Amino acid sequence: GQSLEQPSEVTAVEGAIVQINCTYQTSGFYGLSWYQQHDGGAPTFLSYNALDGLEETGRFSSFLSRSDSYGYLLLQELQMKDSASYFCAVRVNTGFQKLVFGTGTRLLVSP
Amino acid sequence: EAQVTQNPRYLITVTGKKLTVTCSQNMNHEYMSWYRQDPGLGLRQIYYSMNVEVTDKGDVPEGYKVSRKEKRNFPLILESPSPNQTSLYFCASRGFGTGGSYEQYFGPGTRLTVT
Repeated sequence: GQSLEQPSEVTAVEGAIVQINCTYQTSGFYGLSWYQQHDGGAPTFLSYNALDGLEETGRFSSFLSRSDSYGYLLLQELQMKDSASYFCAVRVNTGFQKLVFGTGTRLLVSP
Repeated sequence: EAQVTQNPRYLITVTGKKLTVTCSQNMNHEYMSWYRQDPGLGLRQIYYSMNVEVTDKGDVPEGYKVSRKEKRNFPLILESPSPNQTSLYFCASRGFGTGGSYEQYFGPGTRLTVT
């Protein structure tokens, strides 16, 4: 089976840096994705890591270590609008490639 | 505008009354999927489809049916809804060969309440 662990909630202040960790136990691992979901909204794609290392997209960066079955999402220069839930998702091959989502981390950004 | 649409957005129904939630995408994507989202459980896959007339069960398929007669449409059918199917439902799609990002596009969601 597949399992992912991420913290349920993280709090931070505007302008700060926050890291959301994700550990996984899967078979047929291909890569790790991150999605953002605002309250009442749909999940939207943020990033995808297939190889070890850091991928940077503006204020957001995502890291993967395949040997440690671990990844994180790094959000810099936090803004109020970053308050949302963040989901890690593993791309796995169980006969067909699919995404398996974690339970999500709620990020609260305060002034 | 590239998008995934779902209808209805909100639905309150009674136990046992058959319902269909429609999903349509305009991106010519081969892969479509249905998820349900419940507090503390994240997104769980119900069914997916690799292309027209090709569907398969996800992780929580019990009580649901799907069909894929056209590439753009992937309706979710609840033949006899029960209260434990009260949830927020998302349809998603993805094209094959998307440059390796494996990005899925989600619809706006359908909030279903079964009483």
